[in-house]
Amino acid sequence: GDSVTQMEGPVTLSEEAFLTINCTYTATGYPSLFWYVQYPGEGLQLLLKATKADDKGSNKGFEATYRKETTSFHLEKGSVQVSDSAVYFCALLTGGFKTIFGAGTRLFVKA
Amino acid sequence: DTGVSQDPRHKITKRGQNVTFRCDPISEHNRLYWYRQTLGQGPEFLTYFQNEAQLEKSRLLSDRFSAERPKGSFSTLEIQRTEQGDSAMYLCASSSRTGGEETQYFGPGTRLLVL
Repeated sequence: GDSVTQMEGPVTLSEEAFLTINCTYTATGYPSLFWYVQYPGEGLQLLLKATKADDKGSNKGFEATYRKETTSFHLEKGSVQVSDSAVYFCALLTGGFKTIFGAGTRLFVKA
Repeated sequence: DTGVSQDPRHKITKRGQNVTFRCDPISEHNRLYWYRQTLGQGPEFLTYFQNEAQLEKSRLLSDRFSAERPKGSFSTLEIQRTEQGDSAMYLCASSSRTGGEETQYFGPGTRLLVL
């Protein structure tokens, strides 16, 4: 069945460092891809999305490109801040209604 | 726009008791979803409504779980005879299909602890 695999955490970076969180997926058809972020004690917030191959989603300095040939949707940010510390979930939407999530990657950013 | 809201935010109960959670979706959204998230994991799909019709149920949703959306607006998720393994965060999401695209927006969740 459809699935999402993302790099294990935690990832610990210093402020202003470059961030990459890897995400690969397995799906039949052409799913939409998402990154959600979960801050401590809060629910999931949509960070960015891409609906077709080669689309680039971006928001708040984060970017991810839908790569069909490598079935990947890696999350990147050029300069992280302490406030970016959170858990990041890669996800795909399949069957028109079911979102399948990866296990999440916890990011710690040190000042 | 107030977003998706859930009530209560936290619930502590004893094993064997029944609990009910409520979700109010974004007002113009006709689709509503329930997910369960255990510690250190991503959310897992439980069930899905389009308007008042429950269209899909995961095998994770045992007979002790029941979800309703009686008027196609808010939804309730009831767990009967709770077990310690039911302890988790229960997330509600809503969406509407616009231009062939769909994005699910999540509420803050209800954290359940079964003692």
